[in-house]
Amino acid sequence: GNSVTQMEGPVTLSEEAFLTINCTYTATGYPSLFWYVQYPGEGLQLLLKATKADDKGSNKGFEATYRKETTSFHLEKGSVQVSDSAVYFCALAQPTGSARQLTFGSGTQLTVLP
Amino acid sequence: SAVISQKPSRDICQRGTSLTIQCQVDSQVTMMFWYRQQPGQSLTLIATANQGSEATYESGFVIDKFPISRPNLTFSTLTVSNMSPEDSSIYLCSVEDGGENYGYTFGSGTRLTVV
Repeated sequence: GNSVTQMEGPVTLSEEAFLTINCTYTATGYPSLFWYVQYPGEGLQLLLKATKADDKGSNKGFEATYRKETTSFHLEKGSVQVSDSAVYFCALAQPTGSARQLTFGSGTQLTVLP
Repeated sequence: SAVISQKPSRDICQRGTSLTIQCQVDSQVTMMFWYRQQPGQSLTLIATANQGSEATYESGFVIDKFPISRPNLTFSTLTVSNMSPEDSSIYLCSVEDGGENYGYTFGSGTRLTVV
């Protein structure tokens, strides 16, 4: 079955530091890959996505590249801000077939200090 | 992308009672998904609800505890039955967005506390 392994947290960084959150996956075929963000007390928001190998998803300064050879989709940001403090979830879904639900990683709590 | 209205946003319930959570989508969607997020944890799929058929439940979740209705392509409800404190979680509905906006949209969640 599908699974997502995400970097253990929590992660604490100073403002303007470089961020990497590792994500690897196990899946058959060609899944689509996602990063979701959950701000305190809020629901999930799509941060970025990639639907095929070598695609780069980007949004709000965050980037992630779909690496099929390493089955990875690591999230990066060059300079984090206090407002980036949230929980980040890596997820995958199969775009076809009957089982199209998202499978989530365990989530990584990010705290950015001023 | 679809827009989902989920109600209630939070509730505090007595053990042994039931709570029904509603999700209204602003467009017709084939699949709706219901997730549970226990405190400090990731999201776990409860069931997939397709219009016109019985919901498909994941291992560890049963229809008697989490009955789901899907009367049309824009609406679904999840009931948490005979609640215990272990049911205290955030419950979220989700839909798949197709086409150029492919992805998954989530409702804002229902934060349930059982006392």
